[in-house]
Amino acid sequence: AQKVTQAQTEISVVEKEDVTLDCVYETRDTTYYLFWYKQPPSGELVFLIRRNSFDEQNEISGRYSWNFQKSTSSFNFTITASQVVDSAVYFCALSVLKTSYDKVIFGPGTSLSVIP
Amino acid sequence: GAVVSQHPSRVICKSGTSVKIECRSLDFQATTMFWYRQFPKQSLMLMATSNEGSKATYEQGVEKDKFLINHASLTLSTLTVTSAHPEDSSFYICSARTGGVTEAFFGQGTRLTVV
Repeated sequence: AQKVTQAQTEISVVEKEDVTLDCVYETRDTTYYLFWYKQPPSGELVFLIRRNSFDEQNEISGRYSWNFQKSTSSFNFTITASQVVDSAVYFCALSVLKTSYDKVIFGPGTSLSVIP
Repeated sequence: GAVVSQHPSRVICKSGTSVKIECRSLDFQATTMFWYRQFPKQSLMLMATSNEGSKATYEQGVEKDKFLINHASLTLSTLTVTSAHPEDSSFYICSARTGGVTEAFFGQGTRLTVV
């Protein structure tokens, strides 16, 4: 069975602070994909990153960075110098993707509020 | 990335009526489509998976007679909420995947309110 845990339900930070969103996943498969999505108040899901299980390199994209640690089954997301526009719900997700039937399993989400 | 269009974005219907939601892949052929439901302040829960031309596979606890899914072509899937009740009010999101791609692309979502 696959599972994604995001222990932080809600986080509030002051603008310009750095913030890390935690994600811990469970799967018995050796080949899998991890994702982060952003859901602003409008509701649509915004794709942020996809990482496969064989690529443990950390990634940086502007103010966003991701730390993938297979040893701890974690895929944490850090926003540097947060901005009000970063306020949203962030979902970590996991997919085994053996076949096109395989579904994306979402974590419970972390609601981030960036206060001006 | 690929574009998935979902329509309508918002719909209000009376209790007891049926509502159809469309999900279209605009620039790729979606061999598989997924339908999710999201209640307020909760995560996305998968309702069903459908492959073009086949019957949908429903997740445990999802009533297939109430949530009718049709995936008649490689670019269109529909979700029909039959005899809707207020408890069916939710945010419904579709996603689509083509066989050679490792990620699913999501529609904008449909906010259904049953009054």
